[in-house]
Amino acid sequence: GAVVSQHPSRVICKSGTSVKIECRSLDFQATTMFWYRQFPKQSLMLMATSNEGSKATYEQGVEKDKFLINHASLTLSTLTVTSAHPEDSSFYICSAKKGGEKLFFGSGTQLSVL
Amino acid sequence: QQQVKQSPQSLIVQKGGIPIINCAYENTAFDYFPWYQQFPGKGPALLIAIRPDVSEKKEGRFTISFNKSAKQFSLHIMDSQPGDSATYFCAASMNFVGRQLTFGSGTQLTVLP
Repeated sequence: GAVVSQHPSRVICKSGTSVKIECRSLDFQATTMFWYRQFPKQSLMLMATSNEGSKATYEQGVEKDKFLINHASLTLSTLTVTSAHPEDSSFYICSAKKGGEKLFFGSGTQLSVL
Repeated sequence: QQQVKQSPQSLIVQKGGIPIINCAYENTAFDYFPWYQQFPGKGPALLIAIRPDVSEKKEGRFTISFNKSAKQFSLHIMDSQPGDSATYFCAASMNFVGRQLTFGSGTQLTVLP
């Protein structure tokens, strides 16, 4: 398989602060990366699709000004949760497309907003 | 039409048993069907995947059965082990939307020793 590294694995922040989550494809170039959100014991919900060098495409109901996505290179995409609130607490997971149809996932980031 | 329906929600089997997880889809444009395994606090890991031109695929102890006419596919885990206890997600994708995955709701599998 391919390796997708996500950092940090866990972050605790105060309400109103911003948090940046990094997603890197370590051994392949990913023209497309996806960001998901997952609540406990639930499925993954697609938040946005990130294409290298262009603006991210957000799913309906996802605030693009709150969840800033940057895909500046073929191996790095970042998700910044701006002005975080307790309701933003969740497990965030990125995935990267390695040619064809295979998607590989990062290990996830547990965000807790106090 | 974008949904993938997964059942059961949870499943408990004895070690050595063969748990079966089922998924159904509506959109015939889906052309790639992966299964993912997720442990608590970790991201999903790709287990096995199938395309609709194949009715069965085996990789180690994992087998996907695919019924194109019924728009259903299932995961079988042979000789299940306690270490297989995890949440399993089926998914589907199509090239039209850049291969974004539509996930099933997940199955929590527990394999008893």
